[in-house]
Amino acid sequence: DAGVTQSPTHLIKTRGQQVTLRCSPKSGHDTVSWYQQALGQGPQFIFQYYEEEERQRGNFPDRFSGHQFPNYSSELNVNALLLGDSALYLCASSLEDRAGYTFGSGTRLTVV
Amino acid sequence: GQQVMQIPQYQHVQEGEDFTTYCNSSTTLSNIQWYKQRPGGHPVFLIQLVKSGEVKKQKRLTFQFGEAKKNSSLHITATQTTDVGTYFCAGHAGTYKYIFGTGTRLKVLA
Repeated sequence: DAGVTQSPTHLIKTRGQQVTLRCSPKSGHDTVSWYQQALGQGPQFIFQYYEEEERQRGNFPDRFSGHQFPNYSSELNVNALLLGDSALYLCASSLEDRAGYTFGSGTRLTVV
Repeated sequence: GQQVMQIPQYQHVQEGEDFTTYCNSSTTLSNIQWYKQRPGGHPVFLIQLVKSGEVKKQKRLTFQFGEAKKNSSLHITATQTTDVGTYFCAGHAGTYKYIFGTGTRLKVLA
């Protein structure tokens, strides 16, 4: 039973570029949430996807967008990258919104 | 907006000592979850509390949810080196998101 899979594991981008991060949820899970975790901080909620729609969004600018596919996998897109976007991006899946989340190992994004 | 704070921010204990971290929300929560994140790792789900005043135990770990559903605590009895990591609470306030606390980083000295 595969857990949450994220790709890539590490990424280095230049300011102004665009990036796409991918997430495959745990088998049987239908809800995907994305979090940003800066070094030494707690995860910050970006948005949650359910039934291919964004149903909740955190305090992140429109440069952050996402998508969920019919197989429940998800993508996080960030446009016009800033140095401050450097962080660990975590994908979490669950069966219901209020069930315990299963987190992936994350994508470490570095913007230079 | 909703905020979730944890204290202490850091805690160093000798192996065998007890450890407690406290979580406080600015708003009433529908439920609260606890996660552990090892250094260099990702958060791992420990437990969920739903009822006011609920207490749950997992071996040496005891979790409590406050009567007003605005605070929670995690207590570890007789810490071991395997308990090292950052412990996060995550509060759910009726919207489709969990707000993570600031975390308590535990270091256990052998």
